[in-house]
Amino acid sequence: VQLIQSGPEVKKPGAAMMVSCKVSGHIINDNYIHWVRQAPGKGLEWMGLLDPEDGETMYAEIFEDRLIINADTSTGTVFMELSSLKSEDTAVYFCALSTVATRHIFDVWGQGTLVTVSP
Amino acid sequence: SSELTQDPAVSVALGQTVRITCQGDNLRTYYATWYQQKPGQAPLLVISGQNNRPSGIPDRFSGSTSGNTASLTITGAQAADEADYYCTSRDSSGNSVMFGGGTALTVL
Repeated sequence: VQLIQSGPEVKKPGAAMMVSCKVSGHIINDNYIHWVRQAPGKGLEWMGLLDPEDGETMYAEIFEDRLIINADTSTGTVFMELSSLKSEDTAVYFCALSTVATRHIFDVWGQGTLVTVSP
Repeated sequence: SSELTQDPAVSVALGQTVRITCQGDNLRTYYATWYQQKPGQAPLLVISGQNNRPSGIPDRFSGSTSGNTASLTITGAQAADEADYYCTSRDSSGNSVMFGGGTALTVL
């Protein structure tokens, strides 16, 4: 299984960003996809998850009002959109896959996507 | 507490044993999961559940829990083990995930 993420982006404050994560080598519907971010020099922060089987999402409370995670199951691609960007959203964003049986364990990770928020 | 607390930094002499800890009330209910992250790389799962190692993770890595403290033990640390280590667990609702602040391991 591989998770291939889209390339780096530079965004203005107040704009929205979208990062994609293509799952290859596995049926996307059989897993959960999570998003985790890491600000420069900082630790990991869980953002939310998607069950591509039924579209169920769960978001960390701090992102609830500006985070959307969805998927195109026909292409095996998951999308993470974060709106109303601030400079503090500058980070590397990772997607990660977990199985249905172990929903909260991230077995496979994408390579990460750097998003820079700058005026 | 709904937080996971890790020591920011730990060091170990080459070939010696080191224990990296993670404290949090939720660890009385949920197992910790441990990830290794080297500079510029994505995290890598090293220990999950009671003490499960994914294929390819050396058996010098082991996990345990006592009360509200989970531990990742590296028996016979190697230079390749120098990395940041993060614990995770479910939050008090059981639905979300929380990360510890991470421990930077130096192998001397």
